[in-house]
Amino acid sequence: DVKVTQSSRYLVKRTGEKVFLECVQDMDHENMFWYRQDPGLGLRLIYFSYDVKMKEKGDIPEGYSVSREKKERFSLILESASTNQTSMYLCASTQTGGFYEQYFGPGTRLTVT
Amino acid sequence: AQRVTQPEKLLSVFKGAPVELKCNYSYSGSPELFWYVQYSRQRLQLLLRHISRESIKGFTADLNKGETSFHLKKPFAQEEDSAMYYCALSGGGRGAQKLVFGQGTRLTINP
Repeated sequence: DVKVTQSSRYLVKRTGEKVFLECVQDMDHENMFWYRQDPGLGLRLIYFSYDVKMKEKGDIPEGYSVSREKKERFSLILESASTNQTSMYLCASTQTGGFYEQYFGPGTRLTVT
Repeated sequence: AQRVTQPEKLLSVFKGAPVELKCNYSYSGSPELFWYVQYSRQRLQLLLRHISRESIKGFTADLNKGETSFHLKKPFAQEEDSAMYYCALSGGGRGAQKLVFGQGTRLTINP
């Protein structure tokens, strides 16, 4: 049973703080993703990684960075949090080689005040 | 550019009635299409994908390349179908693992 875990379910941060969101998967998947989920906008891809230390920008990378030092862990970093980054953040992982299912974490609801 | 459009943000039907959630896509090649579902207080999960040609929980979806649509259908809705539904597209090739999601449709089944 695939497990994707995220470090926090709820997080409240102040404007300007540096924020780290952690994601861990236990199925040896090569690919990991960070999305934000907003009502009426669906899921939008922030960054993804197809291998350790490899990353590519998604559709809305501005204001975010990522780190993947180990295969099982993918971190999303908000360098200087702003109120418009208040959102639900979802991590996902999948294997390489075809149209495989993406497995999602439970999400982190981030509020920036 | 890849794009997925779900024209209905909200859809409400009565139990036992047919359900159709619309999904239209824009992609120049041959995409693979998916439906993901998020039940209340649960994580987002795959419902079905075109390549598998499956019926899951009574739901089916047909890819219509002429109309660039992948509508989700169920002949008789059940209360447990109430959830948020997302249509998603994968373009294949090196980026086969990437998904583009639609805006989502919140389905409510009334008793």
